[in-house]
Formats: sequence, C-alpha cells, structure tokens
Amino acid sequence: DVKVTQSSRYLVKRTGEKVFLECVQDMDHENMFWYRQDPGLGLRLIYFSYDVKMKEKGDIPEGYSVSREKKERFSLILESASTNQTSMYLCAISPGQGRSEAFFGQGTRLTVV
Amino acid sequence: AQSVAQPEDQVNVAEGNPLTVKCTYSVSGNPYLFWYVQYPNRGLQFLLKYITGDNLVKGSYGFEAEFNKSQTSFHLKKPSALVSDSALYFCAVRPGGATNKLIFGTGTLLAVQP
Repeated sequence: DVKVTQSSRYLVKRTGEKVFLECVQDMDHENMFWYRQDPGLGLRLIYFSYDVKMKEKGDIPEGYSVSREKKERFSLILESASTNQTSMYLCAISPGQGRSEAFFGQGTRLTVV
Repeated sequence: AQSVAQPEDQVNVAEGNPLTVKCTYSVSGNPYLFWYVQYPNRGLQFLLKYITGDNLVKGSYGFEAEFNKSQTSFHLKKPSALVSDSALYFCAVRPGGATNKLIFGTGTLLAVQP
C-alpha cells in the first residue's frame, strides 16, 4: 500500500505565524505536490517538486514556499499565515512516468485565526 | 489556458438508476485523464484513468468512463448507483508533453437517494 503521510490532520494557527506542513512518502516517487482545496474551487496547485531541491510554482504560489531536501519529504511553508489561507491542504505523489496516477495524503485542515 | 471543467456542482440520482458525472477539458497535446473520489474528511482516492487505447475504461467500484477526443470529454458513469457512491468526484488531466502537473476540475457532489 502506498503511504503518503501528512504530519497533522488539523491545525489552528494565529495570523502572522510561520506554519510548516509536512508530507512524507514511502514510495520513492519523484514527483510531490501540494494542493489546497476550497469549496467550489476544487483543487488548486500551489507548488510541485520533481526531484530533490527542484520545485516549480503552481497556480497559486503567493504566500507559500516549499522545501525538498530529501526525496521522501516535501514541506509547505506559510511564511506569515493569513486568514485567507484557512483551507484543506492535500499532499500528493506520483512516479516520474506521466501516465501513472497520483496518490494523496489524508489532508491537513488548517485554520488561521 | 489549460483547464478542466465539471459543469455540475451536484448530481442527484436515485439508487439503482444509472449515473453520469460530466468532465470536459482544454489542454494541449494528448492528455492523460483521471477520475478521483473523495469521501468526507478524507484524501482523494484514484478511481480510473485513460492513457491510450479503448475509449471506455473501467475502474474501481463498478465505475467506468468514456473518453471522447472530438468532444474533449471524459464522463464518469455507473450503470446502477448505490447510496454508498455518494461522495465528491474530481476529474483531473495531465497535459501532454514533459510536465507532470495534474490539473483538477472543481468537483461534482454526487448524492444518491435511497
């Protein structure tokens, strides 16, 4: 079974805090993704990484950064959390080959107060 | 711009009736197409995919989807709906070419009434 583990299911943070969301995989897949999910907007890609230390911006990177120092771990960083970043955050992984499906973590519901 | 459209926010169907959840896409090249399902407070689960070959693909839980290149559509279908099929369904596209980026639609809530 593929395992994509997100460090927290629920988080509550204060405005202005620096927030770290962690994602760890056990499949040795090249690609890792961070999405946010909001009602009516579907899943929007924040950042993705196709290799260690490599990253590309998605559709909504503003206010976020990422880090991938090891192949199995991909971190999403909210530099200064704001209330409009309250959302469900989903991590996904996929092999380098494009025809393979992605596998998702359980999600982190972040509330910024 | 590359995009995926799911024109219905919600689909209601009676248990035992056939269901269709619609998806159209606008991407360059020959895309790979996917359907995912999400149950409450859970991550997304893969249902099925179209890569190449037969336009009708079969997936998990009795679902199938039909790829139509001329209409750029990939509708999800099931011959007989179950109450337990009630969930949020997402269509996703990986555009042709070198990118591994996966683009999602906005989701369709399927409600199956007993």
